[in-house]
Amino acid sequence: DAGVTQSPTHLIKTRGQQVTLRCSPKSGHDTVSWYQQALGQGPQFIFQYYEEEERQRGNFPDRFSGHQFPNYSSELNVNALLLGDSALYLCASSLPNSPLHFGNGTRLTVT
Amino acid sequence: AQSVTQLDSQVPVFEEAPVELRCNYSSSVSVYLFWYVQYPNQGLQLLLKYLSGSTLVKGINGFEAEFNKSQTSFHLRKPSVHISDTAEYFCAVSDRANQGGKLIFGQGTELSVKP
Repeated sequence: DAGVTQSPTHLIKTRGQQVTLRCSPKSGHDTVSWYQQALGQGPQFIFQYYEEEERQRGNFPDRFSGHQFPNYSSELNVNALLLGDSALYLCASSLPNSPLHFGNGTRLTVT
Repeated sequence: AQSVTQLDSQVPVFEEAPVELRCNYSSSVSVYLFWYVQYPNQGLQLLLKYLSGSTLVKGINGFEAEFNKSQTSFHLRKPSVHISDTAEYFCAVSDRANQGGKLIFGQGTELSVKP
């Protein structure tokens, strides 16, 4: 039973560029959440998708957007990248009202 | 609004010694409480959770935590640690209205187990 899978594992981008990160949830899970973890910090909630709709959103600018597909997989898009966007981006999946299962993350470096 | 404070950023301990990682939280509503572990270059793994009932919660790998409502604490303990427990540990809370929703994490505690 595959857990949460994220791609790519590492990514290097230049300031001003756009990036798309991908997430496949654990089998049977229909809810996907995205978190940003800066170096030495705890994860911070970006947003959550359920039934292809954004259900909750954290305190992140509109440059951060997402999408959930009918098969429950999800994408995180970040536009106009800043140096401060360098972080580990974690995807987590769950069933409604159940604990989150995390993937291993995508390490984004912005130069 | 909710917040989580992990009182120790680093905890060094010798193998087979007991350990306690401290977590305090603040919330205006009732919360669920969680401890996650993060090994190097990996995502987060759920260690244990408190939803309701007994305030002493047992998790995986021999860890346990105690919920103290009056002190708004949820400290993590293990009676005897192994080298393999070396990792980053995160305490987190979520609104009781949505267990699978937004998690608020602490800054993390780096547990370093020495032989």
